[in-house]
Amino acid sequence: AQSVTQLDSQVPVFEEAPVELRCNYSSSVSVYLFWYVQYPNQGLQLLLKYLSGSTLVKGINGFEAEFNKSQTSFHLRKPSVHISDTAEYFCAVTPINQAGTALIFGKGTTLSVSS
Amino acid sequence: DAGVIQSPRHEVTEMGQEVTLRCKPISGHNSLFWYRQTMMRGLELLIYFNNNVPIDDSGMPEDRFSAKMPNASFSTLKIQPSEPRDSAVYFCASSSSGGTREQYFGPGTRLTVT
Repeated sequence: AQSVTQLDSQVPVFEEAPVELRCNYSSSVSVYLFWYVQYPNQGLQLLLKYLSGSTLVKGINGFEAEFNKSQTSFHLRKPSVHISDTAEYFCAVTPINQAGTALIFGKGTTLSVSS
Repeated sequence: DAGVIQSPRHEVTEMGQEVTLRCKPISGHNSLFWYRQTMMRGLELLIYFNNNVPIDDSGMPEDRFSAKMPNASFSTLKIQPSEPRDSAVYFCASSSSGGTREQYFGPGTRLTVT
């Protein structure tokens, strides 16, 4: 079975500051990894995904994430945040070789960007 | 592509009434997921279907909840009878069961049971 831990439930930052949202996972098999973003009163939107290859993955809105297999982590980063990045962010995994299985989501991290 | 379509977007009903939420997945996707989101419990997977067949309904809270997928382009989540604690935002998502399986979410239905 897989599990996802998002280490911070809330992250407050000032505009133009860098941010890192942390995600650790547990799995006995190889997984695909995802970050989703949920803006207020909207559904979840795919931000980026890691499938294979380069461990640094770039997504929309200037976000990137780095897969670290030894530390079983997939932290999300942005060098300079905007007010509009205020949202909830979810990390998710799914086993690579188990077709038809659902994503396992973390509990989410609320990013609050203030001026 | 229209994305995942959910209706209604908002539903207000009285305790004891039947509520039906509807979802149209993205064309070509053969997996469909129903989630519930509340402040207290976060995002919960209720049930999911592959090729119109329910695969895992262990997240359905109780017998008052039921879900169907009569064809590849339509699913319903029904609550009967509804209770105030069912108030939440209900999301539908779809994906391909093969490949990378990223899910695409609908805008949600905000349910309020008074």
